[in-house]
Amino acid sequence: NAGVMQNPRHLVRRRGQEARLRCSPMKGHSHVYWYRQLPEEGLKFMVYLQKENIIDESGMPKERFSAEFPKEGPSILRIQQVVRGDSAAYFCASSPPGRGELFFGEGSRLTVL
Amino acid sequence: DQQVKQNSPSLSVQEGRISILNCDYTNSMFDYFLWYKKYPAEGPTFLISISSIKDKNEDGRFTVFLNKSAKHLSLHIVPSQPGDSAVYFCAANLMDSNYQLIWGAGTKLIIKP
Repeated sequence: NAGVMQNPRHLVRRRGQEARLRCSPMKGHSHVYWYRQLPEEGLKFMVYLQKENIIDESGMPKERFSAEFPKEGPSILRIQQVVRGDSAAYFCASSPPGRGELFFGEGSRLTVL
Repeated sequence: DQQVKQNSPSLSVQEGRISILNCDYTNSMFDYFLWYKKYPAEGPTFLISISSIKDKNEDGRFTVFLNKSAKHLSLHIVPSQPGDSAVYFCAANLMDSNYQLIWGAGTKLIIKP
């Protein structure tokens, strides 16, 4: 009974490279959320997706960041041309329809050199 | 503008005593509140929640109290155990939103033996 699976757990990129973070929701969950946690801060909502749809991307930076949740496969958070300020822990969560309770993955820690 | 505030970055409590974690909010439209617990290098895990139609919810050693007039909620853990040492996040939810949670910055609870 796998929980929310995120990979990679740790990712190191040089400035200007691309980072791709993947998230497989819990079985039966159709809602996926991405959060970012900067050092010494709480989680900040980035984007909420359902299959093939972006429902709310109000927390996403306007440039370089994108997210998708295709019909088949995991949700992907993509960061193009990474900068040092993108270094953070990125958490994915999923929930079943109709409930606010989120189940989180263990996070992907991105380090930009 | 922080809508959910956890004013204590850290709290130290003796094992066996009561831990009280506090959370204040500003948006009176919030109607569902959750507490999450987070260990280092792991994702947050759901702990307990409360609907705005209630003023108390209890689950084992954990009790959440909601004071709507004061826009304040608290999490009580009694008796505190060493395994309770973690960061605790308070989050609030607008039921007419897309289940976007507004998070506090967290309180680090340290249980002393």
